[in-house]
Amino acid sequence: DAGVTQSPTHLIKTRGQQVTLRCSPKSGHDTVSWYQQALGQGPQFIFQYYEEEERQRGNFPDRFSGHQFPNYSSELNVNALLLGDSALYLCASSFQGKFAEAFFGQGTRLTVV
Amino acid sequence: SQQGEEDPQALSIQEGENATMNCSYKTSINNLQWYRQNSGRGLVHLILIRSNEREKHSGRLRVTLDTSKKSSSLLITASRAADTASYFCATEGFTDKLIFGTGTRLQVFP
Repeated sequence: DAGVTQSPTHLIKTRGQQVTLRCSPKSGHDTVSWYQQALGQGPQFIFQYYEEEERQRGNFPDRFSGHQFPNYSSELNVNALLLGDSALYLCASSFQGKFAEAFFGQGTRLTVV
Repeated sequence: SQQGEEDPQALSIQEGENATMNCSYKTSINNLQWYRQNSGRGLVHLILIRSNEREKHSGRLRVTLDTSKKSSSLLITASRAADTASYFCATEGFTDKLIFGTGTRLQVFP
């Protein structure tokens, strides 16, 4: 049973570019949440997708957008990258729009230069 | 913004000793969860305690919750070198967002 898978594992982008990160949830899960974790900090909630809709959103600008597909996988898009967007981006899957006992992927390390 | 703050920020102990980490939070919660993170990679769920529970055990882990003080503690008994990691508390409130604390970095020396 595959857990949560994220791709790519590492990414280097130039300031101003756009990036797309991908996440496949754990088998049986239908909800995907995205988090940004800066170095030395706790994860910060970006948004959650359930039933292909954004249900909850944290305090992130509109440059951060997402999508959920019918197979429950999800994408996180970040436009007009800033140096401050450099972080570990974590995807977590859960069931029926809940957050309890979420399963996390290994993350995508994004470096903006 | 961070909901919780963990204390201490860093903790170093010898194998076999107990490790205690504390978490304080600001708003009312449905539940509080503890996660472990190895070397800046994915988080692993350890234990969940609901707002109407006061104590919960799982193997070598013991979690307490005091909603009147808005605080929780995680006790790891008989620590092992493999317990070396960062530990985060996360609260799920009525807004259904999972909000993480700042984390405690635990180093267990053999």
